[in-house]
Amino acid sequence: ETGVTQSPTHLIKTRGQQVTLRCSSQSGHNTVSWYQQALGQGPQFIFQYYREEENGRGNFPPRFSGLQFPNYSSELNVNALELDDSALYLCASRSLGGSYEQYFGPGTRLTVT
Amino acid sequence: SQQGEEDPQALSIQEGENATMNCSYKTSINNLQWYRQNSGRGLVHLILIRSNEREKHSGRLRVTLDTSKKSSSLLITASRAADTASYFCATDASRKGAQKLVFGQGTRLTINP
Repeated sequence: ETGVTQSPTHLIKTRGQQVTLRCSSQSGHNTVSWYQQALGQGPQFIFQYYREEENGRGNFPPRFSGLQFPNYSSELNVNALELDDSALYLCASRSLGGSYEQYFGPGTRLTVT
Repeated sequence: SQQGEEDPQALSIQEGENATMNCSYKTSINNLQWYRQNSGRGLVHLILIRSNEREKHSGRLRVTLDTSKKSSSLLITASRAADTASYFCATDASRKGAQKLVFGQGTRLTINP
């Protein structure tokens, strides 16, 4: 167990809807990253937050957005869901300036129908 | 896009045998990390090797890095049924700002009793 938690575990949404996924970072970690993992693929970096600001983004459209809160919990919001958004969404936390390894949560499985 | 390519995509061996997985990448890196994923859930960090290191050991794991060939290998010795999982290499080429891990597509390892 890494100490990183995510909710919900599973989620089913309809195309065009909006979804919010939540992550609680490991204690003491001030940086959170979100990754999308399609079936049979490796995770792909969506963005990273540090001190409540986005400080890096992968190749994802603006309808993917996030928030980080003062207690280092975070949210991933996806608007106008598309079928291709069906994936496992993983958050990972680390302490900036600490070890380079990232601590992953168990993920949220999103299915868009 | 995935930077790393892993080989083989799937590997099935008998318990007690050694398992070797390879990873190739395209750009200069700061470090390379290996992660394990069980049944499509969260990733667990296994080992990190820095760009100025050539070999690293952790328990039954041995990782090598050849920056001239842009490749790495993960060796699991004396495999056990519990080692059955998907294994991913992830490269970290961050300069400043966000730490973006770029994952390969993974190797699915099956240990047969």
